[in-house]
Amino acid sequence: GQNIDQPTEMTATEGAIVQINCTYQTSGFNGLFWYQQHAGEAPTFLSYNVLDGLEEKGRFSSFLSRSKGYSYLLLKELQMKDSASYLCAVSPYNTDKLIFGTGTRLQVFP
Amino acid sequence: GAVVSQHPSRVICKSGTSVKIECRSLDFQATTMFWYRQFPKQSLMLMATSNEGSKATYEQGVEKDKFLINHASLTLSTLTVTSAHPEDSSFYICSARVGVQPAGAPTSTDTQYFGPGTRLTVL
Repeated sequence: GQNIDQPTEMTATEGAIVQINCTYQTSGFNGLFWYQQHAGEAPTFLSYNVLDGLEEKGRFSSFLSRSKGYSYLLLKELQMKDSASYLCAVSPYNTDKLIFGTGTRLQVFP
Repeated sequence: GAVVSQHPSRVICKSGTSVKIECRSLDFQATTMFWYRQFPKQSLMLMATSNEGSKATYEQGVEKDKFLINHASLTLSTLTVTSAHPEDSSFYICSARVGVQPAGAPTSTDTQYFGPGTRLTVL
């Protein structure tokens, strides 16, 4: 099975940088995803990592290390609207499924 | 592109009744759709994988006779919560995996696009 862990809550200040970690124990997966979810809304796709390394997309970057069972989402120049839950998820081998982590609620303060 | 809709967005029903939730892919064909449940302040829990033209695959611990899934076309999947009870109250979210890539979508063919969710309250 997959155990996917994230910190439950994080806080940060507007304009700062925050790193949200995701650790997992899984036998294998196609790729690792990060989604953003505002309260009461559907998750929206942020990033997708297949290979080890850093994927940069504007203010958001995602990193994956398969050997360490570790990923992180890096948010730069934080804005108030970035207050949301951030979910990492893996797509296990030979499936179309997404298995989500516990999710991290981020609060950005002025 | 890659828009997924759900209907209704919110439903309140009495205990013992059945509720049907629709999930539609509006601008692409989805051979596979997924149904998730999310309790307050928790992450998404996959309930089942819905495949067009075949039976759904349920995750361990999910009652297939209680949560009926029908995927009648490439753009529509329905989840029916039968004999609903208060403990079934939750946020139900569907997602669709792109079968035919719409213009402007991310390049990953594994990307799932989520509907806006349906909040079910059982009294």
